[in-house]
Amino acid sequence: QAGLTQPPSVSKALRQTATLTCAGNSNNVGNQGAAWLQHHQGHPPKLLSYRNNTRPSGMSKRFSASRSGTTASLTITGLQPEDEADYYCSAWDSSLSVWVFGGGTKLTVL
Amino acid sequence: EVQLLESGGGLVQPGGSLRLSCAASGFTFSNYAMTWVRQAPGKGLEWVSTTSHTGGSTYYADSVKGRFTISRDNPKNTLYMQMNSLRAEDTAVYYCAKSPFDSWGQGTLVTVSS
Repeated sequence: QAGLTQPPSVSKALRQTATLTCAGNSNNVGNQGAAWLQHHQGHPPKLLSYRNNTRPSGMSKRFSASRSGTTASLTITGLQPEDEADYYCSAWDSSLSVWVFGGGTKLTVL
Repeated sequence: EVQLLESGGGLVQPGGSLRLSCAASGFTFSNYAMTWVRQAPGKGLEWVSTTSHTGGSTYYADSVKGRFTISRDNPKNTLYMQMNSLRAEDTAVYYCAKSPFDSWGQGTLVTVSS
């Protein structure tokens, strides 16, 4: 089961904007969109967005998601030190009937 | 408040079995699909298995198909994962998650080693 493609790492300066990408295909990201998860090691993952840009209640508006074709994106504005984490995208693959995950992007806030 | 509490992890020898449990509270358990996700040491998140809200439909990653069985007891608000024929590569922290991944447990560590 091939996963989604994410860049392994992204580095941005404090208070800048980071855009993380997640490439899939027409059966997964291009079909129902992607969910985005933030993961600090030693803690459970946290849902940031699902079906492209539906935010859980209480989620900061600094996090916004979008999709263009078969690529999903997560934009984080006004980067804060606590945003330093691993970010994963995931999507349901309607052809394979499986959830697929990206390999994760490690975001470093300089 | 949604709470998910995993249990049942531990050290097991290759070829052995374990059953993980995930006790849910704070939401109507029977209305939601539930999922197991794992993270091996130094690796990313890996989807393991999902069950529909009734338990009537189940889905598995190729890496565990035929060895792991997901199930649920809705009156008991509990999700299970029966893991058989365990391998070293199954060593990971196992999380249960409520669909659509909006709530997660703290995870339980499974170590497969002789």
